[in-house]
Amino acid sequence: GAGVSQTPSNKVTEKGKYVELRCDPISGHTALYWYRQSLGQGPEFLIYFQGTGAADDSGLPNDRFFAVRPEGSVSTLKIQRTERGDSAVYLCASSIRVQETQYFGPGTRLLVL
Amino acid sequence: GQNIDQPTEMTATEGAIVQINCTYQTSGFNGLFWYQQHAGEAPTFLSYNVLDGLEEKGRFSSFLSRSKGYSYLLLKELQMKDSASYLCAVNSNYQLIWGAGTKLIIKP
Repeated sequence: GAGVSQTPSNKVTEKGKYVELRCDPISGHTALYWYRQSLGQGPEFLIYFQGTGAADDSGLPNDRFFAVRPEGSVSTLKIQRTERGDSAVYLCASSIRVQETQYFGPGTRLLVL
Repeated sequence: GQNIDQPTEMTATEGAIVQINCTYQTSGFNGLFWYQQHAGEAPTFLSYNVLDGLEEKGRFSSFLSRSKGYSYLLLKELQMKDSASYLCAVNSNYQLIWGAGTKLIIKP
């Protein structure tokens, strides 16, 4: 089947604006993860979902960041009042169950001007 | 704290063998992953070790010693397409804790 998909692939926005990033996991995968990656660094954990619920959101940097997965499949990462420091590649991954191998989407490159 | 260390960059010659080391200190351990990441692309899964020892998969092998907090990725018969970053990640309490990655440069 299809792999993890993410939209948009690139997003340019202005400081202070609101953005939504979408992730469509592999069909049948119950766990979904969001990461943020800056150039030359490994991915930084943000949040993961087991089904519809956020099982661990300890990586969200502040309350401007929020994520949902209302039907246990597609997830949306929402960033309010964007700041230049939010510029990064936002990666989504899914796994068939928690702690199983994670498979990554192509990422969304967010640039905040 | 949680810490994963890998060399920042390594250089090797096409056709040769290279070993990329990873040491870790994490609060929990439920396995160690190696991922490959080409520039501008997402990480792709290479290997998973949860028990001590060597796992071999074609040209790539991965080794784990839990008592030493140590793993390595061994790449044989290097090809130019192996030029990429190699990321070590530890599954710790349902999170993946990532190293910064090792950039591998392959020279003809």
